[in-house]
Amino acid sequence: AQKVTQAQTEISVVEKEDVTLDCVYETRDTTYYLFWYKQPPSGELVFLIRRNSFDEQNEISGRYSWNFQKSTSSFNFTITASQVVDSAVYFCALSGMVDYKLSFGAGTTVTVRA
Amino acid sequence: DAGITQSPRHKVTETGTPVTLRCHQTENHRYMYWYRQDPGHGLRLIHYSYGVKDTDKGEVSDGYSVSRSKTEDFLLTLESATSSQTSVYFCAISDRSLRDNEQFFGPGTRLTVL
Repeated sequence: AQKVTQAQTEISVVEKEDVTLDCVYETRDTTYYLFWYKQPPSGELVFLIRRNSFDEQNEISGRYSWNFQKSTSSFNFTITASQVVDSAVYFCALSGMVDYKLSFGAGTTVTVRA
Repeated sequence: DAGITQSPRHKVTETGTPVTLRCHQTENHRYMYWYRQDPGHGLRLIHYSYGVKDTDKGEVSDGYSVSRSKTEDFLLTLESATSSQTSVYFCAISDRSLRDNEQFFGPGTRLTVL
């Protein structure tokens, strides 16, 4: 069985602060995918990133960065210099490489105050 | 953006009535999924399909059935709706040929069972 844990339910920061979202996962698969999705107040799900389990290279995309550590089964997400538009619910997810079923964490609500 | 539509977008129904939600794609993707989103649980997989007439259960399949008679349509049926099925339902699609194995999500259907 696969499990994704996002221990932080809510995070509130002031604009321009950095915020890190934690994600810990469990799986018996030796190869798998990890994802982050964003759900803004409008409700749609926006894909942010996918990582393969065999690629532990960290990634940066603009103000977003991801730290994948297979040894600790973690895939953390950092928003640098947060902006009000970053206010959303962020989901970490895991899937196998056969049927691509996603297992989601419960989500972390990020509120960025001006 | 992937061509995924869901209908209806909002529905209010009464306990015990049958309800069918429709997911329609124009991308000819092989895999289709139904998830439900509830506070504190993130998204949970209900059923998925890996081809026409090929479906399988997900994590929370009790009380739901699905059908896929055409590549483009994936129907989710609540045979006798209960208040515990009040939720937001998301359809998703993916294909092994997709770069990065991204799942594209539809806009969601908000279902209220009174």
